[in-house]
Amino acid sequence: DGGITQSPKYLFRKEGQNVTLSCEQNLNHDAMYWYRQDPGQGLRLIYYSQIVNDFQKGDIAEGYSVSREKKESFPLTVTSAQKNPTAFYLCASSIVGTGVPYEQYFGPGTRLTVT
Amino acid sequence: AQTVTQSQPEMSVQEAETVTLSCTYDTSESDYYLFWYKQPPSRQMILVIRQEAYKQQNATENRFSVNFQKAAKSFSLKISDSQLGDAAMYFCAYRAYGGSQGNLIFGKGTKLSVKP
Repeated sequence: DGGITQSPKYLFRKEGQNVTLSCEQNLNHDAMYWYRQDPGQGLRLIYYSQIVNDFQKGDIAEGYSVSREKKESFPLTVTSAQKNPTAFYLCASSIVGTGVPYEQYFGPGTRLTVT
Repeated sequence: AQTVTQSQPEMSVQEAETVTLSCTYDTSESDYYLFWYKQPPSRQMILVIRQEAYKQQNATENRFSVNFQKAAKSFSLKISDSQLGDAAMYFCAYRAYGGSQGNLIFGKGTKLSVKP
């Protein structure tokens, strides 16, 4: 079945440590996205990528980094510079094209807790 | 910058009844797309319905329909014959028309409870 996988579902880290969240898709989508979700907030965009080896900052990129070495993979690293990293992280993907009402498909998410 | 506002943090509906969730947005663009996503307790985001701004006809998907008022920048979701499985967070989202702006802008969500 085609879809997006995120691993692990729950992740615990000590403050000051970097941590990498995995996102893989087999939908052959060009674009991939990372969102952060906090209680009472909508989803906020961290980074997005529309092509391999290229990515753009979203609204809340500070303290995060990404890479896009393969079309299928878009890992997110939460660095120690992120002041409040505990949150639910969602990865999404979509096709790219002007004039197409393409939807984003979402993974199941990773709940990161930093103590 | 575009913004999306959902003014109802929580809503409740009786099973089999109809409920309407509100969404307003702000944009200076004339072409764009609007979406409603559902997030059940599993937290998996699921697309419910989409609307192209250039289409006057309101989108429908089975029990889900929208009331798209472009001039008022309003995009409400109507759920008919509500079912227990409809209980979830519902997010309204906006996306620009251009391909280089593929990311979604989300509202803060409405938590829908369905009473048996």
